[in-house]
Amino acid sequence: QVTLKESGPALVKPTQTLTLTCTFSGFSLSTSGMRVSWIRQPPGKALEWLARIDWDDDKFYSTSLKTRLTISKDTSKNQVVLTMTNMDPVDTATYYCTRISTSLNFDYWGLGTLVTVSS
Amino acid sequence: QTVVTQEPSFSVSPGGTVTLTCGLNSGSVSTSSYPSWYQQTPGQAPRTLIYSTNTRSSGVPDRFSGSILGNKAALTITGAQADDESDYYCLLYMGSGISVFGGGTRLTVL
Repeated sequence: QVTLKESGPALVKPTQTLTLTCTFSGFSLSTSGMRVSWIRQPPGKALEWLARIDWDDDKFYSTSLKTRLTISKDTSKNQVVLTMTNMDPVDTATYYCTRISTSLNFDYWGLGTLVTVSS
Repeated sequence: QTVVTQEPSFSVSPGGTVTLTCGLNSGSVSTSSYPSWYQQTPGQAPRTLIYSTNTRSSGVPDRFSGSILGNKAALTITGAQADDESDYYCLLYMGSGISVFGGGTRLTVL
């Protein structure tokens, strides 16, 4: 059974760095073809793809946010970590992590974690 | 900048058929875009409906189907039901590891 769960602070201040952790089970990110992505959704707005990390440690970022994002994995802990620097109130959103399997199938999603940016 | 376009809203009658589309502001959508579709109701995480253009995710009813229509990806719901009233998002692969979501379509069933 595949599960993913996002964790991190519910509230961050402007200019701070956000660190989110996706803890998953039911698969290994060392298995060829496996990938994990982060996606966010501001309240009442559309989904936005943020970043992806692959089984071979390849990393990819949203064009508009790549200067602020870092994605990494700890295969032994079954975790993927996303950091976002210089947080702003417009970054207030629910952040989701997802597993990606063959044919770019975003097949399993976490429940998401709401991050509010406010002083 | 690449923008993925979707109809902001759509309405369908119960039992009716509706086709939502997903395009690009510049260029055409093809199977190489690996178009996928997601359904989301308020307060819930998205649910994957379709991936790789036309493959239904596990447990998704066959009244949902995906295709390429002209230069866009399409999601067709045949025999719409009340609980199909949701937001629908498409996701396209742009190459170089990057994916982009569309702005979403709010579907009303009435």
